[in-house]
Amino acid sequence: GENVEQHPSTLSVQEGDSAVIKCTYSDSASNYFPWYKQELGKRPQLIIDIRSNVGEKKDQRIAVTLNKTAKHFSLHITETQPEDSAVYFCAARSWGTGANNLFFGTGTRLTVIP
Amino acid sequence: GAVVSQHPSWVICKSGTSVKIECRSLDFQATTMFWYRQFPKQSLMLMATSNEGSKATYEQGVEKDKFLINHASLTLSTLTVTSAHPEDSSFYICSARDLEGNTDTQYFGPGTRLTVL
Repeated sequence: GENVEQHPSTLSVQEGDSAVIKCTYSDSASNYFPWYKQELGKRPQLIIDIRSNVGEKKDQRIAVTLNKTAKHFSLHITETQPEDSAVYFCAARSWGTGANNLFFGTGTRLTVIP
Repeated sequence: GAVVSQHPSWVICKSGTSVKIECRSLDFQATTMFWYRQFPKQSLMLMATSNEGSKATYEQGVEKDKFLINHASLTLSTLTVTSAHPEDSSFYICSARDLEGNTDTQYFGPGTRLTVL
């Protein structure tokens, strides 16, 4: 099955700086890579996703890059704000096939210092 | 995005009792829903995949007779924790797969915090 690794486990940045979280996956059949943000005691919220037919996707201050050859993808948050503080999870799945479930990384606790 | 609700948001029960948790997709039909368990400061652990009209698929190590899943309609899946014990205390989160519009996106419910005394 798929194995998703996520680094770092914790990340502290100054407000206004950029934050980068990296994930690797093992199954070359995976073609859908979402990122979720989870605040304490709340549900994971989908913040951005990318499919394997593109290498980069951007939404305001958030961007995700994908390198299919190397089997890794990254989340980039620019101009970080205190409200960006949360746990971020990457995930991978084979989209459009019989496989259903997402395989999650172990999470990154991001702290943005005002 | 699509909305998934979960009820109750928290529950406290005595050891040996059963607890039912409901997961609903409010504005889309979900043929597939998922149940996760999350311990403090840890990732989401998939427990089972719930398919409408058929038996759930359980992950290795998850007891199907203890965690009963029923997906009776396209908008509702239930998880029943039977004969609950303190070690079952956890945060249970469901998610539903939205295939409408060819998006295939997974949305999460708000979670249910179960405490077994």
